[in-house]
Parts: sequence; structure tokens; C-alpha cells
Amino acid sequence: QVHLQESGPGLVRPSETLSLTCTVSGASIDSSYWTWIRQPPGKGLEWLGYIFYSGSTTYNPSLGSRLTISVDSSKSQFSLTLTSVTAADTAFYYCARVATVTRLDYWGRGTLVTVSS
Amino acid sequence: QSVLTQPPSISAAPGQKVTISCSGSSSNIGKNYVSWYQQFPGTAPKLLVYDTDKRPSGIPDRFSGSKSGTSATLDITGLQTGDEADYYCGTWDSSLSAGVFGTGTKVTFL
Repeated sequence: QVHLQESGPGLVRPSETLSLTCTVSGASIDSSYWTWIRQPPGKGLEWLGYIFYSGSTTYNPSLGSRLTISVDSSKSQFSLTLTSVTAADTAFYYCARVATVTRLDYWGRGTLVTVSS
Repeated sequence: QSVLTQPPSISAAPGQKVTISCSGSSSNIGKNYVSWYQQFPGTAPKLLVYDTDKRPSGIPDRFSGSKSGTSATLDITGLQTGDEADYYCGTWDSSLSAGVFGTGTKVTFL
């Protein structure tokens, strides 16, 4: 069974950098695309971007240059870095496997990141 | 702001049929497959339908997806207690070059 687990700080100060890691088990990270999705409390889903094991990435244009997604195949992990955060970046952050671009078949449980001083 | 529009809420009696619409455009639903996700409070979304009308293993055939032009639909027949949840459509937008989701629909019992 494929399992994904997000990890990282639950509180980030405004203007600082948000960093999260997703650890994959039960599947080879080298066989799929992987993605980050976020959901502000009580609101809808927002696609952030995805990465292939080779390092090839596609990002949501709405995030500009603030977002970077990277992969470490040796650790079976992929990561998200979001710079210059504001309160608007407060959300549950989910990692997921991309079976196809419109088929996210396995999701992590999600982690809440709050941006506050 | 979501690119795909869904009704905020739908209420129905147990056993009835529920139809959730997802309205998009020619750059997203009009040219790409659609997926649907079910989300219970405090949990991650779960894939319910993919490639517009296919169900993953373990998803009952009470859930079915379709699309026509720039709109997609999720039907839930024989509504059960465990179906009370939020439902989101999702697809790729070829103009934005980004994944997009619907605004979400909360299904509740009358």
C-alpha cells in the first residue's frame, strides 16, 4: 500500500520561508510524478505544483517565483519550499501521487501550517 | 479563486439520487479528463472518479462521472449516511498550465 507522510513546522512567521517534506513508502518515487496541494481552513483545494523524479517541475503560476519543489530519490522524499509567506499561506498542505495529471490517487494525511507572528 | 464552479451545497434524502455539477471552460473541462474527490471533515481528499468516468478499485458503482462540453457531473445514487461529505472536481487547465479544482459541494441529508 502506498503511503505518504507530510512533515515540517506547524508555525511559520510572516515573511519567512515555509518548508515541508513528504516521505513516500510502498512505491518507488522514481516511477511517478508527485504533487503538493493546499487547503486554507474551511476553504477549497489549490494545486501548487508537481515534480517528476528527474527533477522536472511545473508550478502554479499564481505563486510566482515563491515556490520550489524538489526531490531526493535516495530518501524517497520530495519537498516544498515557499518563500515570503503571509497569513494567506495558512493552510493544510497535502502531498499526493500523480498517477496522471488529473488522477491524484494517494494522498498524505495533510499538515496544518499557520503563518503568524 | 477557483476556475471550476460547483454548487455550494446539495441536500437530499437517504436513498435519493444527487447530481453535482462542475462548470468550466474550453481550456480545462472542454479538453481534459476530470476527476472527483470526496473529503470528510479533518481528513484528506479521496479519489472517487478519474478520467471523467472511471472508478478506482473499491469505489462503489453508486458513484459515476460524466461530462458534456465544458461541464462535468458526479452522480451519487442511493444516497447513504456515509456519503455526507464535501466533493471537489479537478482537472488540468491547458491555458493556465496548472491543475485546477472546483469550488466544492457539501452534500447533506434533508
